[in-house]
Amino acid sequence: DGGITQSPKYLFRKEGQNVTLSCEQNLNHDAMYWYRQDPGQGLRLIYYSQIVNDFQKGDIAEGYSVSREKKESFPLTVTSAQKNPTAFYLCASNNRGPGETQYFGPGTRLLVL
Amino acid sequence: DQQVKQNSPSLSVQEGRISILNCDYTNSMFDYFLWYKKYPAEGPTFLISISSIKDKNEDGRFTVFLNKSAKHLSLHIVPSQPGDSAVYFCAASIQGAQKLVFGQGTRLTINP
Repeated sequence: DGGITQSPKYLFRKEGQNVTLSCEQNLNHDAMYWYRQDPGQGLRLIYYSQIVNDFQKGDIAEGYSVSREKKESFPLTVTSAQKNPTAFYLCASNNRGPGETQYFGPGTRLLVL
Repeated sequence: DQQVKQNSPSLSVQEGRISILNCDYTNSMFDYFLWYKKYPAEGPTFLISISSIKDKNEDGRFTVFLNKSAKHLSLHIVPSQPGDSAVYFCAASIQGAQKLVFGQGTRLTINP
């Protein structure tokens, strides 16, 4: 059955370390997104991609990087430049076009040791 | 600046009664609005949406109302059930822009 998978469910990062969060979808969606959720706050857009090999910065892209080499995959790297990486990270996807609902994966919680 | 605001961080409602969750927005260019429901440690799930050409959309127990002049939307859940206890996010977009802007969320608790 179709859906969005994110792995791992929990991830620990040491100071100065880069970590990569995985997001895979088999919904044949063109567009994919990465959001960050902090306690008491809404979801904030980090990066999004509307087509393979193309992506745009969202509202809080500093300290993050992405790639979109395949339609079904949109990994997010949290670099050592991200000073406050502890958060719940959510990946979403949808088809391009007006009114297309975004569907979310189960999320990855990143903790700094 | 917070373009989408949910001013009530929490709401407690008795089972069987109506739950009303509110959302305000500031950007008059928004023309598509959505409500998502989120359980702890899970991704949000889509509930219901409304286009700015409508003022009401209904799906079972869920109804969304849009007041464009007041830049306000609300989600009504009738009757409220224990499984409705979750955090509810409203989101807005400009059709064709792909990006969603989310509110801070309201934690709804349904009491037996």
